[in-house]
Amino acid sequence: EAGVTQSPTHLIKTRGQQATLRCSPISGHTSVYWYQQALGLGLQFLLWYDEGEERNRGNFPPRFSGRQFPNYSSELNVNALELEDSALYLCASSLRAGGYTEAFFGQGTRLTVV
Amino acid sequence: GNSVTQMEGPVTLSEEAFLTINCTYTATGYPSLFWYVQYPGEGLQLLLKATKADDKGSNKGFEATYRKETTSFHLEKGSVQVSDSAVYFCALSPPSGGSYIPTFGRGTSLIVHP
Repeated sequence: EAGVTQSPTHLIKTRGQQATLRCSPISGHTSVYWYQQALGLGLQFLLWYDEGEERNRGNFPPRFSGRQFPNYSSELNVNALELEDSALYLCASSLRAGGYTEAFFGQGTRLTVV
Repeated sequence: GNSVTQMEGPVTLSEEAFLTINCTYTATGYPSLFWYVQYPGEGLQLLLKATKADDKGSNKGFEATYRKETTSFHLEKGSVQVSDSAVYFCALSPPSGGSYIPTFGRGTSLIVHP
C-alpha cells in the first residue's frame, strides 16, 4: 500500500511568487493535515481538511490556503511568498479525525524562497 | 487548548547509554499519545503509541508509558545505537469530540556517538 506522497520534493521560488504543494493521502484516509517545519521551530499546524472541507487552520496569515479534492488529495497554496516561508512542509493523513488513529506523514516538500 | 512539552535538545549520548526524553502534555479528556521519529531529510515516522492510561507503547527497543496522573509520556531506551540519531517528537491526538488536530512537541534531537 502506498504511503502519503508529496510533490514536489524541492521547490525554489522568488519572494512575491506563489507556491503550490500537493499531497496524496493513504488510500481510504479522509483527513489531511498540513504542517510547517521551520528550522528550530518544530511542527506548526497549518490546515486540516476532512471530507473535502477545511475544518481548522492554525495561526498563519490568509495567504496560506488550500483545498481538498473529491479523491481526498490536497493542495497547499502560499501566495506572496516571503523569505521566512522557507521551510519543510509536511502533509499527514489519518483514517478518521481524532480518536485513536495515528497520522501518517509524507516525506515533505522543502520550499526555499530566495 | 492542547499542548505538548518536550525536553530541549540536543541530547548527546555514547553508544549503549540509557536514553530518556521527557514529554508532558495538556489536553481535555484522554488523548492518544505518540512518539514519532524523523531521520535527516525525511518525514516523520510513527515510533510507538499508547491510547489509554497505563498503556505502554514499545517498538525497536523504545518504550513509553501513558501516565495520566503526571500527564507524561517519557520515551526510554536501554541501550542506544548510532543509528538512533534522529529528532524525536512527542504528540497527542485528541479524543473524538475535540479539535481532532494532532499536536506536536518541538522535537528533541538525539545524537549518539560511537
